[in-house]
Amino acid sequence: GENVEQHPSTLSVQEGDSAVIKCTYSDSASNYFPWYKQELGKRPQLIIDIRSNVGEKKDQRIAVTLNKTAKHFSLHITETQPEDSAVYFCAASKSGSGYSTLTFGKGTMLLVSP
Amino acid sequence: GAVVSQHPSWVICKSGTSVKIECRSLDFQATTMFWYRQFPKQSLMLMATSNEGSKATYEQGVEKDKFLINHASLTLSTLTVTSAHPEDSSFYICSASPHPGTDTQYFGPGTRLTVL
Repeated sequence: GENVEQHPSTLSVQEGDSAVIKCTYSDSASNYFPWYKQELGKRPQLIIDIRSNVGEKKDQRIAVTLNKTAKHFSLHITETQPEDSAVYFCAASKSGSGYSTLTFGKGTMLLVSP
Repeated sequence: GAVVSQHPSWVICKSGTSVKIECRSLDFQATTMFWYRQFPKQSLMLMATSNEGSKATYEQGVEKDKFLINHASLTLSTLTVTSAHPEDSSFYICSASPHPGTDTQYFGPGTRLTVL
């Protein structure tokens, strides 16, 4: 089955700096890669996603890049703010007919200091 | 749109009792819902996939007789933890996809289960 590795496990940055979180996946057939933000005790919230037919996607301060050949994808947050502090999870799935299941990375705790 | 609710938000029970958790899609129909378990400071682990009108598909290592799943309608799935033990204490989260065959999942707020 799919295996998703995520690094780093913790990341501390100063407000205004950029943050980058990287993930690798093992199944070359995976074609959907979402990123979720989870605050303590709350639900994971989808912040951005990318499909395998696209190399990069951006939404304001957040961007995701995908390298299918290397099986890498990364989350980029620019101009970080204290409210960006949370745990971020990457995931991968292989969509086709019917439903598809998500395999999550272990998460990255991002701390943005004022 | 794509709102998923769960009930209860937290529950405390005695060891040996059973607990039922409900997951509802509020503004869409979901033929498939997913149940995850998340231990403190860990990632989300898929427990089972709940299919409306048919049996759930359990992940390896998840006891289907202990974690009973019923997907009775297109907007409701339930997870019953039977004969709960302290090691079952965890954060249980469901998710659903608003469009059949798509892979975007929206999560419920989770249920914190504490077994004494």
